[in-house]
Amino acid sequence: EAGVTQSPTHLIKTRGQQATLRCSPISGHTSVYWYQQALGLGLQFLLWYDEGEERNRGNFPPRFSGRQFPNYSSELNVNALELEDSALYLCATTGGTSPTDTQYFGPGTRLTVL
Amino acid sequence: AQSVTQLDSQVPVFEEAPVELRCNYSSSVSVYLFWYVQYPNQGLQLLLKYLSGSTLVKGINGFEAEFNKSQTSFHLRKPSVHISDTAEYFCAVISMNTGFQKLVFGTGTRLLVSP
Repeated sequence: EAGVTQSPTHLIKTRGQQATLRCSPISGHTSVYWYQQALGLGLQFLLWYDEGEERNRGNFPPRFSGRQFPNYSSELNVNALELEDSALYLCATTGGTSPTDTQYFGPGTRLTVL
Repeated sequence: AQSVTQLDSQVPVFEEAPVELRCNYSSSVSVYLFWYVQYPNQGLQLLLKYLSGSTLVKGINGFEAEFNKSQTSFHLRKPSVHISDTAEYFCAVISMNTGFQKLVFGTGTRLLVSP
């Protein structure tokens, strides 16, 4: 069974541009979580999507947004990129919404903003 | 709000030696506890989790952790490490009253195993 996949692996953008990151869940998983792993800041919760809806977001500005498609894959969009947005972006998926469900992580997209 | 502290940013150890990676958390409510491992250039993989029941939790790759409620700790241990255990280890919590799976992570501990 395929795991969580993310694309692209690497993404290089310049300040002010927009970035789009994609996540495909494990088959049967309906919830997608996005995390930012920035140097010196650790892993921080960004967004949670379930059944096509944004359910919760972390302490990030509105230029971080996304959506979830009918096939449960998800997109993370970062507008007006800033240098400090450079980070590894990880998505994780679960088959349910219980806090006890295990989150399965993808390999991440490394975003570099120049 | 809950927080997780991993005091050791880096732990060097020789192969076949025992290791303990420390994790302390603070929360005003009960939490679920997790340890994840991140190998170079990869995502996170769940090592083990504590939800309830026995305070000693066994995970994959020979790792185990013990939940200590009075000390609000969840230290990770392995009796004998291998070179392949070299990785970054993250302790994380989910608050039971959050209503969803918001993992709050520690800053990570880099385990360096040398021959």
